[in-house]
Amino acid sequence: QSALTQPPSASGSPGQSVTISCTGTSSDVGGYNYVSWYQQHPGKAPKLMIYEVSKRPSGVPDRFSGSKSGNTASLTVSGLQAEDEADYYCSSYAGSKGVFGGGTKLTVL
Amino acid sequence: QVQLEESGPGLVKPSETLSLTCIVSGYSISSGYYWGWIRQPPGKGLEWIGTIYHSGTTYYNPSLKSRVTISVDTSKNQFSLKLSSVTAADTAVYYCARDRAYITIDYWGQGTLVTVSS
Repeated sequence: QSALTQPPSASGSPGQSVTISCTGTSSDVGGYNYVSWYQQHPGKAPKLMIYEVSKRPSGVPDRFSGSKSGNTASLTVSGLQAEDEADYYCSSYAGSKGVFGGGTKLTVL
Repeated sequence: QVQLEESGPGLVKPSETLSLTCIVSGYSISSGYYWGWIRQPPGKGLEWIGTIYHSGTTYYNPSLKSRVTISVDTSKNQFSLKLSSVTAADTAVYYCARDRAYITIDYWGQGTLVTVSS
């Protein structure tokens, strides 16, 4: 079971938009609409930011949005703010099991 | 407010069994949802270990399946992880979590570092 592929790093200036990709296969990302995104600050537990590809839990700013095309899911953060600097992980349901991406470190310049 | 808290030894010897328990408060496990474990080696990414439904049905990461057991005790509102034959590669922060379904983790414990070393 291979991890989903994410770029190791991404960056943007305050106010800009940045998109992080998450590539899997037809057995996970491409096969189900159950992709989630998590934000993790250093020393903290991850926090659910997006679920079922594009849905936002209550309390998550609408600056965060998700999408999917084929075997690749994407997380877009618009209007970057300093507090968005964190690690971001995608995950996908893969038929009775789960798989995470390797993580992307988002830096706000 | 749902809260989860991991407990267990922070140091385990190689070849022994790692055992952790997650105590849930603010929600009754027997009411539903899935309950699972995720780990994160120091400086690395997240790895899904497995999940248990409140009825006891389990789902495991195929790469760990031969060594993992997840169980639930609804009377104590807690669930547990056992990982046998550990090596240094199993050193990680272990998180317990609530999975609302299809690997959508909406509540996490604070995590507990388990080090495998003699």
